[in-house]
This record gives sequence, structure tokens and C-alpha cells, in this order.
Amino acid sequence: GENVEQHPSTLSVQEGDSAVIKCTYSDSASNYFPWYKQELGKGPQLIIDIRSNVGEKKDQRIAVTLNKTAKHFSLHITETQPEDSAVYFCAANSGGSYIPTFGRGTSLIVHP
Amino acid sequence: DAGVIQSPRHEVTEMGQEVTLRCKPISGHNSLFWYRQTMMRGLELLIYFNNNVPIDDSGMPEDRFSAKMPNASFSTLKIQPSEPRDSAVYFCASSLGGRGAGELFFGEGSRLTVL
Repeated sequence: GENVEQHPSTLSVQEGDSAVIKCTYSDSASNYFPWYKQELGKGPQLIIDIRSNVGEKKDQRIAVTLNKTAKHFSLHITETQPEDSAVYFCAANSGGSYIPTFGRGTSLIVHP
Repeated sequence: DAGVIQSPRHEVTEMGQEVTLRCKPISGHNSLFWYRQTMMRGLELLIYFNNNVPIDDSGMPEDRFSAKMPNASFSTLKIQPSEPRDSAVYFCASSLGGRGAGELFFGEGSRLTVL
């Protein structure tokens, strides 16, 4: 089955800095890569996703890049703000599967 | 839309008691997932339903856990008997399905504490 590794487990930045979270996956058939943000006491919520036919996708301050050859994908947050503080999860869906495999999560702390 | 609705939000019970967690998915979604979240193991898939039919229950820890989806608008996750190691946050999520993988919509979770 699919295996998703996520790093770092904790990331601390100053407000205004950029943050990068990286994930690797094992199944070359994976074709859908979502990122979820989980705020304290809430369920994860999708913030951006990318499919395997695209190398990069951007939405305002967040962007995701995908390298299919190396089997890794990354989340980039620019101009971080305190409200970006949360746990971020990457995930990967094996080709044809509705079931995502999640990484272990990254706790992002943005200091004002 | 109200989103995915879970109840109870918090449950404290004693070891050996039966626990039932409930979920109402988003109307029109045909896929439903139950996840368990702990610090040690992260987000673990317990079971996945498609069109009310259990498709993958390989993540259900043991026979003490059972899940049902009697109709498209309701699902339950039952633990009987409960044990302290079952303490976790349990999430229900639903998705539209139909065109391959897509966004999961999570509920706010049910925090279970077994004493």
C-alpha cells in the first residue's frame, strides 16, 4: 500500500517568513495529493490539492509543487501570519482509490 | 450546508462500557470515512463506506469495533467493550466520490476518553 512520510514534524517561523513542508510517497500510481489544515479542536480542512498531471499550483499565499519522478511534493506558505498556526497534513491517493493515505502532520507555529 | 455532523463532541466513559459515535454526512455525498486520531499514530483510517456499503474495514482494530451505515444520511461507530487505549478523537468524513479521488469533508470530531 501507499506510505507517506512528512517532514518536519514541527516548524516554528516568524510572522512574514515563508514555511515549507515536504512529503514523500511510495506508490508511483498515486495521482492525487491534497493538503489539509487542522486548527485546534476542529477537523482537518482541505486548503489546496494537486493532481499528477500538474507540477505546481498556487492559491494566494499557498502553493504546492509535485515532483513525480522523485515522488515528493511540498507545501509552501509565504508571508506567514499567526492565523496560519495549525497542524498541516499531506496525503496521497493511489491511482483509482478514493482513500487517501495521510502523513503524520506538521505543527506550524507562526510567532507574531 | 451544515457540513458533516458528529455526536457526541465529547464522551467520557469507564472501561468496559459501550460507546456509540454518530455521523451525518453531507447530503449527496456517497463516500463516508471513519478516522481515529492520536498523537502516537496520527490519522488512521478505520473504515470506508461507498454507497452505504463497507468497502475497506482493514483499519478496524479488532472485533470490539463495529460500524454501520443503514442509510445515506447516517452512520455509527460502536466500541464494545471500550478500553483505555481507545481514547482518541474519532473523525467522520464524507466525499462526493464518482470521479476518482477528491476532497474529504471532516466533521469536528468526537473526543473519547475511556477511564
